[in-house]
Parts: sequence; C-alpha cells; structure tokens
Amino acid sequence: DIQMTQSPSSLSASVGDRVTITCRARQRISNYLNWYQQKPGKAPKLLIYAASSLQSGVPSRFSGSGSETDFTLTISSLQPEDFATYYCQQSYNTPFTFGPGTKVDIK
Amino acid sequence: QVQLVQSGAEVKKPGASVKVSCEASGYSFTNYGVSWVRQAPGHGPEWMGWINTDNGNTNYAQKFQGRVTMTTDTSTSTAYMELRNLRSDDTAVYYCARDLPVLYLSNRFDPWGQGTLVTVSS
Repeated sequence: DIQMTQSPSSLSASVGDRVTITCRARQRISNYLNWYQQKPGKAPKLLIYAASSLQSGVPSRFSGSGSETDFTLTISSLQPEDFATYYCQQSYNTPFTFGPGTKVDIK
Repeated sequence: QVQLVQSGAEVKKPGASVKVSCEASGYSFTNYGVSWVRQAPGHGPEWMGWINTDNGNTNYAQKFQGRVTMTTDTSTSTAYMELRNLRSDDTAVYYCARDLPVLYLSNRFDPWGQGTLVTVSS
C-alpha cells in the first residue's frame, strides 16, 4: 500500500491568511493526487484532482501543486467557511489511500 | 443535481452482516463507477473498494477481501455494499461516492453520499 503523510497535522490561522498544507507519498505517484475538505459530521468534498485541477464549483482561492512524491494544497486567503480538516488521497494504485488529515482551525 | 442517498444507521452484533444501499440520481448511473469508503470515529477515510456499475467488475482492498461484496441494481440506480463477519473495529461511517467508470485513470470521489453509521456492539 502507498503510505501518505501530511504536515502539519493541525494549524491555527486567521481569516485572510495564506495557508499551505503538504502531502507526501512514500513512492512516486505521478500526479494521481486528490484533495478533500471535510467538516464535522459531513462527508468529504472534492477540492482538487490530478494534483492541480480545480473541481467544478470550488472557489479559486484553493489551488494544488506538486508531482511524484511532494504535493501542496494552498488556500490563498482563508475564509470562515474554510475551517475544516483536509485530506490528500492517492489514486495511482489500489488500494487508494488517504493521508491522516490536517485540521485548520481559528486562531 | 447529482446526489447519492444512503440507507439509515445500523446496529449489529459481532459476527453479523450489514448491507448498505446508495441510491444515485441526477446522472446516468452506468456511466460512472462507485467507490465505498469508511471512516472510523476520529480517523481518516479508508477506501474499501470500487465497482463498475455497468458490468459489475469490482476491485476490493485486500484488507476486506473475502468479507465484502459490492453490487449494483441498474434498474433502480442503486449500489450496495455488504460487509460480513462484523467486528467491533468495523464501527464506522460508511460512504459511497461516485467515481470514474475505470480504474487507474485519476480516480476521484465526487460527490459522496451522506454516510451510514454502522455500530458493531454486543
């Protein structure tokens, strides 16, 4: 199985801040990397697929970059509705695996 | 709009089976696959497997091989996930999610059902 790690595990930020979350794969996965947002008690929501493609309907303040083993999710200007947990997920090989998550909360 | 609606919460005893349903609407059901993902309390999501809704081909995570069966009923645009021989560590929220109709082509899960809580307790 391809192990995914994320850093940091949590962060505190203010509205308007630029936030960067890192995801690392234990082996090369090309650009087969997705990002999801999950709020408490809700299902995850797809934000970014194929490392850098913005899912339809997702605000442009979200962006993704990276390839092979190192990936980044950036929120350019944090909004109140962005406080949530973010997960990366590889789709290079089955079983598809998720990172442990990064919780973004209010400073 | 594209929507996946799952069946309600279940409480099961160890050793029992559970079957969760996932009814799709707002799109052509057989043009997409369905993945099943579970999330134990306080943990990240865990992918369980994928089904091609057109031909019924499946790909299960090895962890669940022999205990899980994924099926579909195309007449009602419904996907099913059955998990057998339940243990206490199977307690989780189980989600279905629309996926691509083939594997290894940048699969991604969107949208997700609302989730079904399965509690395994004696």
